[in-house]
Amino acid sequence: GENVEQHPSTLSVQEGDSAVIKCTYSDSASNYFPWYKQELGKRPQLIIDIRSNVGEKKDQRIAVTLNKTAKHFSLHITETQPEDSAVYFCAALTGTASKLTFGTGTRLQVTL
Amino acid sequence: DSGVTQTPKHLITATGQRVTLRCSPRSGDLSVYWYQQSLDQGLQFLIQYYNGEERAKGNILERFSAQQFPDLHSELNLSSLELGDSALYFCASSVGSEQETQYFGPGTRLLVL
Repeated sequence: GENVEQHPSTLSVQEGDSAVIKCTYSDSASNYFPWYKQELGKRPQLIIDIRSNVGEKKDQRIAVTLNKTAKHFSLHITETQPEDSAVYFCAALTGTASKLTFGTGTRLQVTL
Repeated sequence: DSGVTQTPKHLITATGQRVTLRCSPRSGDLSVYWYQQSLDQGLQFLIQYYNGEERAKGNILERFSAQQFPDLHSELNLSSLELGDSALYFCASSVGSEQETQYFGPGTRLLVL
């Protein structure tokens, strides 16, 4: 089955700096890669996603890049703000199955 | 607000008991997914239903079962509860059954004492 590894597990940046979270996946058939943001005790909230026919996608301060050859995708947050502090999860979805396999999460802290 | 609703928000029960968690998908969504989130296991996929039929199964215990009703709401039944079943249980929904964006509900926090 699919296995998703996520790094780092914790990340602390100063307000205004950039943050990068990286994930690797094992199943080359995976073709959809969403990123979720989860605040303490709340639901995972989709922030951006990318499909395997695209190498990069951007939405304001958030971007995701995908390298299918390396089976690697990354989340980039620019000009970080305190409200970006949360746990971020990457996930991969394989083939015709719709079960998402999640990474272990990255706790991002944006300090003033 | 994702449009996915879950009840109850919190549930406290004892070992050996049985509980039912309920989920209503977003309007127009036909797929419902159940996930378990515990501190040591992260977010784990349990099961997916599409238009009333089971579509995919993950790490769901035999003590757990689910169903999706004609009105598309879903219920997750957890029986013979153990301390280790304490977790957040999320429901998500999507329009179709394959490669679809999934939107999560607010979750049910289950505490087994």
